[in-house]
Amino acid sequence: QVQLQQSGPGLVKPSQTLSLTCDISGDSVSRDGAGWNWIRQSPSRGLEWLGRTFYSSKWTNQYGEAVKSRVTISPDTSKNQISLQLNSVIPEDTAMYYCVRQSSWHRGWYFDLWGRGTLVTVSS
Amino acid sequence: QSVLTQPPSVSGAPGQRVTISCTGSSSNIGANYDVHWFQHLPGTAPKLLIYGNSNRPSGVPDRFSGSKSGTSASLAITGLQAEDEAGYFCQSYDDSLSGYVFGTGTQVTVL
Repeated sequence: QVQLQQSGPGLVKPSQTLSLTCDISGDSVSRDGAGWNWIRQSPSRGLEWLGRTFYSSKWTNQYGEAVKSRVTISPDTSKNQISLQLNSVIPEDTAMYYCVRQSSWHRGWYFDLWGRGTLVTVSS
Repeated sequence: QSVLTQPPSVSGAPGQRVTISCTGSSSNIGANYDVHWFQHLPGTAPKLLIYGNSNRPSGVPDRFSGSKSGTSASLAITGLQAEDEAGYFCQSYDDSLSGYVFGTGTQVTVL
């Protein structure tokens, strides 16, 4: 059974960096056909895709337009995990953050497994 | 902000049929991108219900069905059960944003 276990601080100060990790069990971060995403949800912004990393002959990272100047998603094959770094956070970055697996099929990708989420509050 | 529009709430009695709409535009659903549906109970991980507009993953009851036409999609729940009381949201891809987009979410209440 595949599981996504998220970890990281629940409180971050404005202007600092938000860092989360997602430990993957039962699957491989470098499996061809799997994509590893971070998605967040807040009352003000709804659900927002932050970005993903996936391996298909080489590693590819893609990021959402609203955050791409501040976000980095990285795979760690030795630990079978992905990480999220969001720089220069502001209170509006307060949200539930989800680690989410994507699976590919002949028509594209779909999100098929979500972590339980980590609530991150940005406040001094 | 969410790009796909859903009704905030729908309700029905046990055994009834309810539908949830998901309205997009020519840059997402209308651009022939697939729509996927998820169920979300508070405090739990969202669960995939429908992928590729109308396909059910293994384990999802056939009471759940999806369809797509033009710039909109729909999720239908037939034979509504108390356990279906939850939040539901749709998801697709958007050309102009070059990224994945989500619906505003719909709360289903079983009367």
